[in-house]
Amino acid sequence: SAVISQKPSRDICQRGTSLTIQCQVDSQVTMMFWYRQQPGQSLTLIATANQGSEATYESGFVIDKFPISRPNLTFSTLTVSNMSPEDSSIYLCSVEGRGEFTEAFFGQGTRLTVV
Amino acid sequence: GENVEQHPSTLSVQEGDSAVIKCTYSDSASNYFPWYKQELGKRPQLIIDIRSNVGEKKDQRIAVTLNKTAKHFSLHITETQPEDSAVYFCAASKPWDQGGKLIFGQGTELSVKP
Repeated sequence: SAVISQKPSRDICQRGTSLTIQCQVDSQVTMMFWYRQQPGQSLTLIATANQGSEATYESGFVIDKFPISRPNLTFSTLTVSNMSPEDSSIYLCSVEGRGEFTEAFFGQGTRLTVV
Repeated sequence: GENVEQHPSTLSVQEGDSAVIKCTYSDSASNYFPWYKQELGKRPQLIIDIRSNVGEKKDQRIAVTLNKTAKHFSLHITETQPEDSAVYFCAASKPWDQGGKLIFGQGTELSVKP
């Protein structure tokens, strides 16, 4: 499995500001994913980050609110823009495994609190 | 799009008993069904998975069954132990080359009482 480093692990931010979360993988991967996990809830896919192209966003998520960068095959960032308390959540990056099936491994997550 | 339903939302068992969690999926093109365990404050960890070409897979006390016709799959934990207490998520996905992405169920909070 890939080793995934995500930072920051947690942050408390003022409403109206933005936070950029970084995800670093120890090997090259084609696909990286960003998930949101609200308190006590399941994981909801925000977007798929592909190297060399625009991220693909899921219904309910837009690029202006969650811009994503994928400059190379080992790194991605997710920015949570113009934050409100409703953005308080855990954000997780994920990468696929090496097989043909969609195995996925997660970073440790970023616990965001917006005040 | 794909939808995954998971039941029950909470499950409490006595140590040594068995636990069963069930999921249904909507997209018949899905071919991969993993199960994740998430302990409090930690990341989801893959515990077992099954591919659409098999009906059952077992790994020690954990087993997963798949019924493609009915589009449902289940996680079975036998001889439960207190350390099995966690939230369990099922997920489903199509192949990568068909736009595969993991869609998760709502989660089951399992509590194993000593």
